Amino acid sequence: NAGVTQTPKFQVLKTGQSMTLQCAQDMNHEYMSWYRQDPGMGLRLIHYSVGAGITDQGEVPNGYNVSRSTTEDFPLRLLSAAPSQTSVYFCASSPRRTDNYGYTFGSGTRLTVV
Amino acid sequence: AQSVTQLDSHVSVSEGTPVLLRCNYSSSYSPSLFWYVQHPNKGLQLLLKYTSAATLVKGINGFEAEFKKSETSFHLTKPSAHMSDAAEYFCVVSDRSTGGFKTIFGAGTRLFVKA
Repeated sequence: NAGVTQTPKFQVLKTGQSMTLQCAQDMNHEYMSWYRQDPGMGLRLIHYSVGAGITDQGEVPNGYNVSRSTTEDFPLRLLSAAPSQTSVYFCASSPRRTDNYGYTFGSGTRLTVV
Repeated sequence: AQSVTQLDSHVSVSEGTPVLLRCNYSSSYSPSLFWYVQHPNKGLQLLLKYTSAATLVKGINGFEAEFKKSETSFHLTKPSAHMSDAAEYFCVVSDRSTGGFKTIFGAGTRLFVKA
């Protein structure tokens, strides 16, 4: 079982560049989400999806886009990278948003914007 | 309003001594509570969860936590620390909201284990 797979593990971007962080899960989970982790702030929700074709904003959505064309994949797009987006990004999934099983996390993408 | 406070940003213990990581929460309803562990350069792993069943919850690697509604606390404990327990620990509160659950992460407690 691969669980939740994130790529790339590390990325350095220049200010203004765009990129896509990939997330895939093989557990047939309906619910997928993106978090960013910054020192002393825990994890903050960026966007989430409760199923293919359905996405919604979380706590800190500005500067990010998502789409969910399949159950398995939930990419996160940075439209025009800014230094404030330097962070560690985690993708997480759970069977359904209406069941409180807890999340399965990917191993993260460490992004630096210079 | 929903919130979670981890009372210590850092905790240092000696190997073989007890571990106590403190977490207080605020919730308007009957929350679900979780503890996750994050080892360096890794993703978060679910340690244990409370979802309105037994108030004393046992998790992986010898950890347990007790839900105390009167004190709005969900402290994580382990009788004897091991070097491999050194990691960051996150307390998480989850409440029902429109369409599902709203989940809030604490800021984290870094556990150091001395030989």
